[in-house]
Amino acid sequence: QKEVEQNSGPLSVPEGAIASLNCTYSDRGSQSFFWYRQYSGKSPELIMSIYSNGDKEDGRFTAQLNKASQYVSLLIRDSQPSDSATYLCAVMGVDTGTASKLTFGTGTRLQVTL
Amino acid sequence: SAVISQKPSRDICQRGTSLTIQCQVDSQVTMMFWYRQQPGQSLTLIATANQGSEATYESGFVIDKFPISRPNLTFSTLTVSNMSPEDSSIYLCSVFAGGRETQYFGPGTRLLVL
Repeated sequence: QKEVEQNSGPLSVPEGAIASLNCTYSDRGSQSFFWYRQYSGKSPELIMSIYSNGDKEDGRFTAQLNKASQYVSLLIRDSQPSDSATYLCAVMGVDTGTASKLTFGTGTRLQVTL
Repeated sequence: SAVISQKPSRDICQRGTSLTIQCQVDSQVTMMFWYRQQPGQSLTLIATANQGSEATYESGFVIDKFPISRPNLTFSTLTVSNMSPEDSSIYLCSVFAGGRETQYFGPGTRLLVL
């Protein structure tokens, strides 16, 4: 059973602070990692993808991947109230049974307070 | 990215009935995916629909309950058959677009079974 684990939260951060969202995964062969943002009542929206160890930055978002530790994180700098949402970590495997299939974590609910 | 539409956007149904959900994409895609998101939970893959072949169902999902059609490269339907209140959920269609296994989601169909 391939698993993706996230803390359900809520994670509460003040406006302007850095929000740090974490995700661990069980399939050591996983190659592709994604962060989705989901507002209440809406469908998931892709915000970041990462494939190699290290950091990947896109605007206020930074994804970090450590395959040795089976750990992926998302940092949101200068958090805004509009960032308040559930953040889903998703992992894609490479095995015949898991290739092209995303396994989602349960999501972390982020609350940015004024 | 891809523009994905779903119909209906929401519905309220009586137990024992069936509902067919449509998914339309603005470009030709090989694989289309159907997910379910139950209240307060993350996304679970129901099946993968390839054009010209039978859909591949995940563990716990069967064709008799969730028949899928894929008549061409831009369209798919998912039917939820003989519904019960436990089928109340958001049903999401998704496709790969933009390269490197990036998956995008439609707006979802919100189903309530009474």
